[in-house]
Order: sequence, then structure tokens, then C-alpha cells
Amino acid sequence: QKEVEQNSGPLSVPEGAIASLNCTYSDRGSQSFFWYRQYSGKSPELIMFIYSNGDKEDGRFTAQLNKASQYVSLLIRDSQPSDSATYLCAVATGNQFYFGTGTSLTVIP
Amino acid sequence: GEEVAQTPKHLVRGEGQKAKLYCAPIKGHSYVFWYQQVLKNEFKFLISFQNENVFDETGMPKERFSAKCLPNSPCSLEIQATKLEDSAVYFCASSQYSGANFGGTEAFFGQGTRLTVV
Repeated sequence: QKEVEQNSGPLSVPEGAIASLNCTYSDRGSQSFFWYRQYSGKSPELIMFIYSNGDKEDGRFTAQLNKASQYVSLLIRDSQPSDSATYLCAVATGNQFYFGTGTSLTVIP
Repeated sequence: GEEVAQTPKHLVRGEGQKAKLYCAPIKGHSYVFWYQQVLKNEFKFLISFQNENVFDETGMPKERFSAKCLPNSPCSLEIQATKLEDSAVYFCASSQYSGANFGGTEAFFGQGTRLTVV
């Protein structure tokens, strides 16, 4: 079982819709959770991090964490074509960051 | 520096040749991580360092891969006798702290080195 699992997609949503990206992790002791965005040919950049159960909002982005279910999600409201990218879920466990395989998101104008 | 600097940006090697990649972490960051991304697939963890000490090397294919982080020098990842399947983008990331121990601190990524083995 992989440490971090994501639905690889591709996920397509129309412009203005809500995009929902999901991630599950295997180590119940994991404490820190991150969402990175990676444009094609570029390096990942951090867009959100969350440590506590519940929701964390930053502009159009909301991260949701449920430690009991070992589940973390990212919601993107009012999706824009510029949001089209691969979204990587990362979990900090012990000594390192584990990454999921990423979900490819396409926002259709 | 203020960003993770990886060199070279692109590297082409014939099968069987050696490849050496470099990474200068952000100044003040104690942890360095190396990842391999084949095409657009998963980030595979290779190795991490705490300063010049290997912190976790569970992802390293030990037969041909080696890495070092020496004081006052960029970290390096070396692949002896490259194979076609080593073609990938190799990302280096640095972090002030490691993982969950300090409530987590994000890892900052370099731009990657694209290795093509022909």
C-alpha cells in the first residue's frame, strides 16, 4: 500500500465550477499535510498546508482534513483555466515528505 | 540563497555513462530531499539528508545511485552506469525542519534536472 494515494484523474471541470481533489494516507501518525500545484514542465509549488482537523480556507482554496478517516482534500472554488495543473498531495510522516501521484485538473473555459 | 538551485537544467547521457546532478539548498535549511519523477508520474523519494548526514535512504537504488551533502558544497546525486529507465526529472527540495517533528514545514523545490539517457 502506498503511503499517499490520489485519484490520478484527469479531472475536468467547467470554468466557475468547484474542483474537488482527494487524497488518503496510510500512516495514522502523520501530522502535516500539504497541497502542491505543478504546472507542466515546472517544479511543484505549495498552495496550502493543514495540520488540524477541519477546514482551512485561503482565497478560492479550501483544504479539509479528517484524521480519523485519514483523508485530506482540496476544494477550488470558481475554478479558472489558470488552475489547470497537476495537484500533488504531500504528507509529512516521520522523517520525510511522501507524495501522491498527483491529480491532473483541467478547467474548461 | 533564497531558492533551491539545481544544476544542470538538462543532462543527456549515453547508456552506461555517469550522471551527476547538483543541488544547493536554501541557506539555513538543514534538510535536503531528492525525488525522481518519471514522465508526469509519481514523485519517488530517493534519499534525504540532515546537513551532511544521510537521514533516510530507503528509496535509493543502491547499486548505481549515490548521494552526498558536504559542508560548503552543493549536494550531489550521482548515477553510475545510467540506464534508459533512469530518464526522469530529478527534483531536489530543502526544508528547515523534517516532516512531522516540528509541526511540519513545507519543502521548497528546485526547478529540477531533466536527465535523458539515450
